[in-house]
Amino acid sequence: AQSVTQLDSQVPVFEEAPVELRCNYSSSVSVYLFWYVQYPNQGLQLLLKYLSGSTLVKGINGFEAEFNKSQTSFHLRKPSVHISDTAEYFCAVTRSWGAQKLVFGQGTRLTINP
Amino acid sequence: EAGVTQSPTHLIKTRGQQATLRCSPISGHTSVYWYQQALGLGLQFLLWYDEGEERNRGNFPPRFSGRQFPNYSSELNVNALELEDSALYLCASSLDGALNTGELFFGEGSRLTVL
Repeated sequence: AQSVTQLDSQVPVFEEAPVELRCNYSSSVSVYLFWYVQYPNQGLQLLLKYLSGSTLVKGINGFEAEFNKSQTSFHLRKPSVHISDTAEYFCAVTRSWGAQKLVFGQGTRLTINP
Repeated sequence: EAGVTQSPTHLIKTRGQQATLRCSPISGHTSVYWYQQALGLGLQFLLWYDEGEERNRGNFPPRFSGRQFPNYSSELNVNALELEDSALYLCASSLDGALNTGELFFGEGSRLTVL
């Protein structure tokens, strides 16, 4: 089975500062990895995904993530955040074949202060 | 193209009652997933339907059930409601049941409040 741990439940940063949201996963088979964002009172929206190939993945809104197989991590980064990035961010994993569900982490609430 | 739609947006029930939540997937998507998002607990997998069949189920009691209709829409039923069932229920759809690209497309959710 797959599992995901998001290491920070809340991350406060100042506007225009860089941010890193940490995600570690556990799996005995190869996986697909995702970051989703949930803005207040909305459903989840895909930010980016890693399926195969380059370990550095670029997504929407200037976010990127790096797949590190040896450290079983998939941390999300943005070099300069904006007030509009305030949201909850979820890391998710599924096995890369015969998948039956997407397993989510507990979420990280990103708060941007002016 | 319309996204995943869920109804109702909000639902208030009392303990012991039943709740029915509905979901219409993106056109062409055959798989529907249900997740529960309770405060502080992240997203917990509830059910997966594909081609009208229940394919997988999370660690929830049998009073959580559902079905998928021939047009691939789905409904989630929660019987004998308990206070801890209060949550945002999210429906998602995918193009294929095997999640070959892994991506789910989510609706905005139905918020169930149990008093």
